[in-house]
Amino acid sequence: EPEVTQTPSHQVTQMGQEVILRCVPISNHLYFYWYRQILGQKVEFLVSFYNNEISEKSEIFDDQFSVERPDGSNFTLKIRSTKLEDSAMYFCASSPQSGSFRGQFFGPGTRLTVL
Amino acid sequence: AQSVAQPEDQVNVAEGNPLTVKCTYSVSGNPYLFWYVQYPNRGLQFLLKYITGDNLVKGSYGFEAEFNKSQTSFHLKKPSALVSDSALYFCAVRQGYSSASKIIFGSGTRLSIRP
Repeated sequence: EPEVTQTPSHQVTQMGQEVILRCVPISNHLYFYWYRQILGQKVEFLVSFYNNEISEKSEIFDDQFSVERPDGSNFTLKIRSTKLEDSAMYFCASSPQSGSFRGQFFGPGTRLTVL
Repeated sequence: AQSVAQPEDQVNVAEGNPLTVKCTYSVSGNPYLFWYVQYPNRGLQFLLKYITGDNLVKGSYGFEAEFNKSQTSFHLKKPSALVSDSALYFCAVRQGYSSASKIIFGSGTRLSIRP
């Protein structure tokens, strides 16, 4: 079965640095998402993306965050100036079409550690 | 606002016994309910969903869930637990038919099956 892939699996960065988390959604999917899970807490929605624009974003997704689909395959999450509280597992997800009955397909996650 | 509650942080069951992982939801309109499982160092895997129709839905790995509208619950069940079922389970709700709609996750329940 096709899978969503994410790189790197673990990213360590210094506070204030920019990071880019990369995702390759399933090839025929149209909707893309980022979620995060702070250690020991629930999975939280960050942003959804469709037709090359943001469909919805949460209050967590402030001006420090941006998403991009630079080519036909990658979907990236950029954090411009990381803070300690950005340390979390970041999950990318994709969905094939509106009303998908399978929900969203999630990648394995990137663990971001901000020092 | 929509929300999902998983009242148990951990559920412990002996192998071969039935298991139940509880979930209640709060959403205006029709709920689209999901269960996901997370194995160590893996992403979130879709188990099953309720969109409409039969209140008892069957999913992967022998799991099933019962939608109860009057109790606003969507408990996950399995008649006979396996040690390999040990993982973190998330109940989730999506408000709306559109795949652009975000998924709201519960806090997760760690299921531990002892041999």
